[in-house]
Amino acid sequence: DAMVIQNPRYQVTQFGKPVTLSCSQTLNHNVMYWYQQKSSQAPKLLFHYYDKDFNNEADTPDNFQSRRPNTSFCFLDIRSPGLGDAAMYLCATSRGLAEGRGETQYFGPGTRLLVL
Amino acid sequence: AQSVTQLDSHVSVSEGTPVLLRCNYSSSYSPSLFWYVQHPNKGLQLLLKYTSAATLVKGINGFEAEFKKSETSFHLTKPSAHMSDAAEYFCVVRGNTGGFKTIFGAGTRLFVKA
Repeated sequence: DAMVIQNPRYQVTQFGKPVTLSCSQTLNHNVMYWYQQKSSQAPKLLFHYYDKDFNNEADTPDNFQSRRPNTSFCFLDIRSPGLGDAAMYLCATSRGLAEGRGETQYFGPGTRLLVL
Repeated sequence: AQSVTQLDSHVSVSEGTPVLLRCNYSSSYSPSLFWYVQHPNKGLQLLLKYTSAATLVKGINGFEAEFKKSETSFHLTKPSAHMSDAAEYFCVVRGNTGGFKTIFGAGTRLFVKA
């Protein structure tokens, strides 16, 4: 059974046209993350929510926003996509942020964004 | 400061031969270490994790990894490669720094030849 679901799997948008990617989870986890992964690179954390608390990485561009209306759903909004934003976007969840106890992150299948 | 280095960007093995993917880490605190696998156009799947219990960790699909504190290493091994193991592998460190921090290695692409 799918635990972290991302829709759509592929998204095509136009340069400058706002786009929203969605993520849902059935794990009832407190934390949801968004990563950007460009071709042949490691995933890069954009931001995460701990419950309703939003935590932005320092180098995440303002063009990227996120919403978490409830525990199960989290959205990634790209206000004005540029060609450089074409990438795989990965959503992940974890029960908490207990780094020292090895909190596992569970990843969704990703949404591949193409910007024309 | 924490960091993780995957020593090989590409590894090529023949089917049925052993796999070794190398990972070294740096952490001021006792870290948690993970290996994830990513097949083309798919999300990341957890293979195994180390959380300060047994130093030899067994994961899914026959993979295992040994935490060696003296060498600051967490290498991933498998006795016999299968064609389905061809994928990208990421070593990840998460540290108990009092703040949130997850560090991904650059990844190692594993090729398996028939």
